[in-house]
Order: sequence, then structure tokens, then C-alpha cells
Amino acid sequence: QSVLTQPPSASGTPGQRVTISCSGSSSNIGSYTVNWYQQLPGTAPKLLIYSNNQRPSGVPDRFSGSKSGTSASLAISGLQSEDEADYYCAAWDDSLNGWVFGGGTKLTVL
Amino acid sequence: EVQLVQSGAEVKKPGESLRISCKGSGYSFPTYWISWVRQMPGKGLEWMGRIDPGDSRTNYSPSFQGHVTISADKSISTAYLQWSSLKASDTAIYYCASLRIAAAANWFDPWGQGTLVTVSS
Repeated sequence: QSVLTQPPSASGTPGQRVTISCSGSSSNIGSYTVNWYQQLPGTAPKLLIYSNNQRPSGVPDRFSGSKSGTSASLAISGLQSEDEADYYCAAWDDSLNGWVFGGGTKLTVL
Repeated sequence: EVQLVQSGAEVKKPGESLRISCKGSGYSFPTYWISWVRQMPGKGLEWMGRIDPGDSRTNYSPSFQGHVTISADKSISTAYLQWSSLKASDTAIYYCASLRIAAAANWFDPWGQGTLVTVSS
């Protein structure tokens, strides 16, 4: 059972917009910034969004992040086949004195 | 290019010891904490612990405290994750990641390519 809660799966057709939610508590998302990581099949995780809504250099602006209270969301617009991957949210947690991840959401492009 | 390169896959028997490594390049290695993250087969990411390569301060997730040891040698820009007695349940891919901090935010970037550890009799 992960500290941060994500839906296990999401799907969309090419060109669509999909969102992935991440729910936490006051000891993590409610007090700290949220990051999102993309893990393509068979590869290491890669930073996708940091500090709630910032994109690292090289990440397309189709990807966006937001945070409100103890929840965060990742939105992907103009869905492409290469977006098929696992997506993880993460944040620092005061109670555990460490980082916590969501369980991951497997995105399928139909 | 800033990167972390991990040691190769390992196959071990239960009860054996193991140390895997993570070498940083392209940046000042002592400046940024290194974390280790576990991914069991078909499962999600779990933060194990971190080390400050500058002074070797560590802190561990309660789930991993006492089961693994994290260390570093800043002179060769390398962090380590080690086990004294492996169990079958340690079978997983282990990633190292560099912690970046700016203002009130922090994030893991870059990540190593991962080291597959298989423990089987």
C-alpha cells in the first residue's frame, strides 16, 4: 500500500487529453512540492515534472502538472503512442522522514 | 553530461553478501545527496535511503533500516548499496538517483540505469 494514491491504470486515444491523479496527506503533498516521473518499458525512471508544475529542459509542453491541497495531477495533452509508460508521483513526507511514491499509473494509448 | 552509471546485474544465493555501485560524472559529486530506490518485479518505486557524499551522513526509510547499508567514496565519485545477507525477497532492480534542490523544492534527477539483483538458490 503506497503512501500516495494513484489510479493503477489510465488510457486514451492519440490526440486526446488524459489526467492522472495523486492523492496524499498533510504530511507530504499538503506541505511539500510534488514531482512526476515517467518510466518507459524496460528503462529507468525519468524526471517529467518537478516542483508541482515545472518541466525540465527537453520535456514537451504537452505534459503539465498541478497541485491543490493534498492532491496533485499530471495532464498529458495531444496523447502520442510514445507516451505509453508508467507514471509515478512523489513527494517528501514529514512523518516518515523520507520520500514517498505513488503506486504508479500505467498509461495505455489505445 | 550529468550522469549516474551503475554496476552490472548480479546473481546471488540467499545468505551471500553484495555491494552494488553508482558512479557520478559531469558534476560535483559531493554536492548532491544520492538516494537508492527499489523496484521489485512488476511493482512500483520505493525509496530506501540517502547519503550525503560530502560527509557520508545517511538516513534510511524505516522499511529498509537495518537491512541495507548505504555508503560513499567521494574521492571516486561513487555511492554504494550493500547487503550482508541476501534474501530471495531482495530480488529487484535498484536505482540510484541524484537529489536536486532549489528553493523549497527537491527532486531526483538524473537516475542511474538500474542494477538487477537476483537472489535464488
